[in-house]
Amino acid sequence: DADVTQTPRNRITKTGKRIMLECSQTKGHDRMYWYRQDPGLGLRLIYYSFDVKDINKGEISDGYSVSRQAQAKFSLSLESAIPNQTALYFCATSDRSSYNEQFFGPGTRLTVL
Amino acid sequence: GEDVEQSLFLSVREGDSSVINCTYTDSSSTYLYWYKQEPGAGLQLLTYIFSNMDMKQDQRLTVLLNKKDKHLSLRIADTQTGDSAIYFCAVTYSSASKIIFGSGTRLSIRP
Repeated sequence: DADVTQTPRNRITKTGKRIMLECSQTKGHDRMYWYRQDPGLGLRLIYYSFDVKDINKGEISDGYSVSRQAQAKFSLSLESAIPNQTALYFCATSDRSSYNEQFFGPGTRLTVL
Repeated sequence: GEDVEQSLFLSVREGDSSVINCTYTDSSSTYLYWYKQEPGAGLQLLTYIFSNMDMKQDQRLTVLLNKKDKHLSLRIADTQTGDSAIYFCAVTYSSASKIIFGSGTRLSIRP
C-alpha cells in the first residue's frame, strides 16, 4: 500500500467552484507539504505544516487554503477555482531527520475550465 | 533570494553517460538533492549530498558539488531506457526546513 495517498487523482471542474484535494499518510511523519507542478516551472510550495497546530504559507498561497485535520491528513482547498490553477498538485511528507527527505504522493491532476 | 536553475531537456544515447547540471544562488545550503519523477508518478529521492562534501557515488550515479561556483551535477553512467524521467535538483538551507526545487530536466534516451 502507498505511504502517501492523494484523492482524487484527476478532477475537472468549472471556474468558481470550490475544490478540496485530500492527502493522507501512513509514514507517521510530522511534516506535510502541498506543491503544484507546472511545465517548465518545477515544483512550487503552496503551504506546509510541521505539526497539527502549525500552518505556514509557501511561495504561492494566494487562492488556496489548507487544513491539517490530524497528523496523517492535510487537505488543500481552492475556494473559488480559476483556470490558472490548472496544474498537477503533489502532497509530500517528511520527518525531522537532518537531511529532510520528502516523500511524495502520486499527484492530483486538476483542470479548471 | 533562493533560486535553483537547471536546463529543461537532455537527450543522450543509450549506453552513454548523462550529465545533468544545476546551479543555485544561496551559498548557505546544507543539503542538495536529486529527485527523479517517472511518468504519472510523484517525485522520489534519488540521492543527496551534504554541503561539506565534494562528491558522492552510488552505483551508476555520481554527484559532484562545486561550492565555489554553486554548481551541482548528476552523472548517470551507462544510461538505460529506464532512466527516462524528469530529474529535479533541490536545495535546503539551515535557516529553513523547506526545500527549493529547480524546474526539472527531462532526460530522454535515444537508441
